[in-house]
Amino acid sequence: DTGVSQDPRHKITKRGQNVTFRCDPISEHNRLYWYRQTLGQGPEFLTYFQNEAQLEKSRLLSDRFSAERPKGSFSTLEIQRTEQGDSAMYLCASSPQGPRETQYFGPGTRLLVL
Amino acid sequence: QQPVQSPQAVILREGEDAVINCSSSKALYSVHWYRQKHGEAPIFLMILLKGGEQKGHDKISASFNEKKQQSSLYLTASQLSYSGTYFCGTEPTGNQFYFGTGTSLTVIP
Repeated sequence: DTGVSQDPRHKITKRGQNVTFRCDPISEHNRLYWYRQTLGQGPEFLTYFQNEAQLEKSRLLSDRFSAERPKGSFSTLEIQRTEQGDSAMYLCASSPQGPRETQYFGPGTRLLVL
Repeated sequence: QQPVQSPQAVILREGEDAVINCSSSKALYSVHWYRQKHGEAPIFLMILLKGGEQKGHDKISASFNEKKQQSSLYLTASQLSYSGTYFCGTEPTGNQFYFGTGTSLTVIP
């Protein structure tokens, strides 16, 4: 069990550019979550996958955001045409199958849009 | 949908106790508690399930009042390592998860 990993850990980009983040959950964890966290705030739910199916997507996730989990293993989060307001920490978490299981978080990807 | 926590911040001396409250406007099926230190990811502390089942650390206790849609986290004999921001979390439908507003806890020697 190597834990949840995220790549890259830091990303600096210019406004208008596209960025993609990757999350590798704990193996055999069916559930995967993406969150966004800004300074001084709690993590905000973005989207949820069960295996490869995206079952829930927050209204916070504008059309510029898209997430995939093609084979039910790793997941990617893409932000198109980045804006300065997208600057935040993007956290990924995974949990085992079954209701009300704890989530294990990755270290996050810190995005700065200039 | 975001649970509201109180207090927003608390400062303790080592050895003192603290209670952090979490209140939701939606029906709660479970309540999770996490602690996050600055620059790090949240770490699981405890989960409380409808019906009274609990899973978590021995040194941390919590209560869950389903009818009032409230939960409280009890930190006793605080240590310096308890410092951080505490979040409750709820999953109203099973496909979403909402973290609370957070409580900053600082333990001083």
